[in-house]
Amino acid sequence: QITLKESGPTLVKPTQTLTVTCSFSGFSLTTNDVGVGWIRQSPGKSLEWLALIYGHDDRRYRPPLQNRLTVTKDTSRNQVVLTMTNLDAADTGTYFCSHYETRDHIGFDFWGPGTRVTVSS
Amino acid sequence: QSVLTQPPSASGTPGQRVTISCSGSRVNIGRGFVYWYQQFPETAPKLVIYHNDRRPSGVPDRFSGSTSGTSASLTISGLRSEDEAHYYCTTWDDKLSDWVFGGGTKVTVL
Repeated sequence: QITLKESGPTLVKPTQTLTVTCSFSGFSLTTNDVGVGWIRQSPGKSLEWLALIYGHDDRRYRPPLQNRLTVTKDTSRNQVVLTMTNLDAADTGTYFCSHYETRDHIGFDFWGPGTRVTVSS
Repeated sequence: QSVLTQPPSASGTPGQRVTISCSGSRVNIGRGFVYWYQQFPETAPKLVIYHNDRRPSGVPDRFSGSTSGTSASLTISGLRSEDEAHYYCTTWDDKLSDWVFGGGTKVTVL
C-alpha cells in the first residue's frame, strides 16, 4: 500500500526559504519507473506542478520556477525534500507530494494529504 | 489563465450523464496522455482517469475518459451525490516542458 505524507512549516516569512519533506512508504525510489512529484495549490485555485525526482535521481522542474527549486531524495529514509527559495505571498498554498508511475503512463497516482504553507511577515 | 481550458461548472440530477471538456493544443493534449483528478474540499486530488481513458483500480465504471485531437472529456454516467466535487484535467506540455492543468470544473448534483 502506497502512502505519502508531507511535513513542513505552516508559516514562512517573505524572502525566506521553504523546506518541505515527503515521507513515503509502499514503494522504493530506486528505479526510473518511479518518481515523486510536488504539486501545489493556491487557495481557491487550480493545481500547479513544481518538480519531479525519479529513482535514478533524474530531476525535472517547472521552468519558470527552476531557479528557486531544488528536490532531493534520501532513499534510506524514504523521503523526498523540496526546497524553494525567496518566497513571497504568491507561494502561499497547499503543497502535495505524489507517487509518479511511468509504467503504463499511470502518472501521479497516489497523493499525500498536503501541507499548508502561508507566506506572511 | 490555465493552459488547459475547462468549463468552471457543470451540473446534473442523480442518474444523469455529465461531460466535462478539457481543451488544449497540439503540444499538450495533441501529443500526450490526459489525466483526470477528482478533488473534494480540503483533500488531496484523486486520480480517476489516466492514459486518456483508463480507470485506476477502485474507480467506479461510471467514470470514463476520451480524447479527440486537442481536446479531452471526462464523462460521469449515472451521476451520484458523492460525485459532487472539483475535477481537473492535466497533461504534459512539450513546448513548456511543464505538467499543465485545467482550471477545474465544479460538478454539482442538483
